Amino acid sequence: DGGITQSPKYLFRKEGQNVTLSCEQNLNHDAMYWYRQDPGQGLRLIYYSQIVNDFQKGDIAEGYSVSREKKESFPLTVTSAQKNPTAFYLCASSIGLQGTQYFGAGTRLSVL
Amino acid sequence: RKEVEQDPGPFNVPEGATVAFNCTYSNSASQSFFWYRQDCRKEPKLLMSVYSSGNEDGRFTAQLNRASQYISLLIRDSKLSDSATYLCVVNGGGSYIPTFGRGTSLIVHP
Repeated sequence: DGGITQSPKYLFRKEGQNVTLSCEQNLNHDAMYWYRQDPGQGLRLIYYSQIVNDFQKGDIAEGYSVSREKKESFPLTVTSAQKNPTAFYLCASSIGLQGTQYFGAGTRLSVL
Repeated sequence: RKEVEQDPGPFNVPEGATVAFNCTYSNSASQSFFWYRQDCRKEPKLLMSVYSSGNEDGRFTAQLNRASQYISLLIRDSKLSDSATYLCVVNGGGSYIPTFGRGTSLIVHP
């Protein structure tokens, strides 16, 4: 089945720790995105990538980093510089920036 | 001014009611438009694309008004299962990234 897989579903971070969220897609999409959603709020764009080996900051990139070494994969690292990381993180992909976005099931990150 | 605006609601309606949401956008060059549905603690899922001529899928009708820069979603004969948050997405064209509204909450009660 084609789709987007995010892992883990739940993740706990200790203070001062970096953690990495995985996002893999087998839809052959060029564009991939990371969003953050806080309770009762909309989606805020963290980073996006239009093509392999290229990515751009979104609205709230501070404290996060990404890589796009393969077309299928777009991992997000939440660094210790992100002081309020507790949120629901969603990965999405689309054929191009104008295409329909398809989402993974999300990762819930909490701080211990 | 926010690029994409939605009334957060909640819209509280009885089963069988007809309900409509609007979503306004500020970029007049926007080219593609979508409605997504998001259930509590789940990922957004595409409900329907919005075409210039409007489109209908069963009880759901989406329309685009370019002159006034808004899209709408009409739900007829509401079901309990329609309770969710409805997100609109506007793509600006070219290198513009898709922009999400904050969503409108719908609660359908018996």
